[in-house]
Amino acid sequence: DAGVTQSPTHLIKTRGQQVTLRCSPKSGHDTVSWYQQALGQGPQFIFQYYEEEERQRGNFPDRFSGHQFPNYSSELNVNALLLGDSALYLCASSLMGQGRANTEAFFGQGTRLTVV
Amino acid sequence: DAKTTQPNSMESNEEEPVHLPCNHSTISGTDYIHWYRQLPSQGPEYVIHGLTSNVNNRMASLAIAEDRKSSTLILHRATLRDAAVYYCILRDDYGGSQGNLIFGKGTKLSVKP
Repeated sequence: DAGVTQSPTHLIKTRGQQVTLRCSPKSGHDTVSWYQQALGQGPQFIFQYYEEEERQRGNFPDRFSGHQFPNYSSELNVNALLLGDSALYLCASSLMGQGRANTEAFFGQGTRLTVV
Repeated sequence: DAKTTQPNSMESNEEEPVHLPCNHSTISGTDYIHWYRQLPSQGPEYVIHGLTSNVNNRMASLAIAEDRKSSTLILHRATLRDAAVYYCILRDDYGGSQGNLIFGKGTKLSVKP
């Protein structure tokens, strides 16, 4: 089992550009959550996808959007990049349903995005 | 959502036990106490979780106070590889977070040889 995989590992973009990050969840998991981690801070929840729909969203602007595919993989899109979007973007997979709080989430290694 | 309070940093010597404290005075009856750690340049990694009783696994032990308002993550013999940021998180299917992990700043553990 490859666990959670994210691509690319590193990315450099220019202000105003758009970026797409990808995540494949752990085998058997149906829910993907995305987090942004600025340097020296804890991860901040962006949104969660389940059954190809955004189910929950953190305090992030509409420039951040996502998608989930039938095979449960997911994409995070960020439009009109700002310098402040430079961060480590993490994907976590888990199983939806009652009792989810009694399970562990699995994280990928992240994508390091640098906006210049 | 209930919040947790952790020391910003702690130091330990290699091969000695480490006790990482976490306060969660507003914990609800349905909150599970989760611990994750993040090694440098890696994604967070699950360590352990529990509800009311103390828990042990191959990585660590979790001691939960009787009133559940605090807990302690115990690493029995710290190694250099245990140097990481440790996050104590309350996870609840019924609260505002709906089971998602809401991270604080965590405790940065340094391990000296």
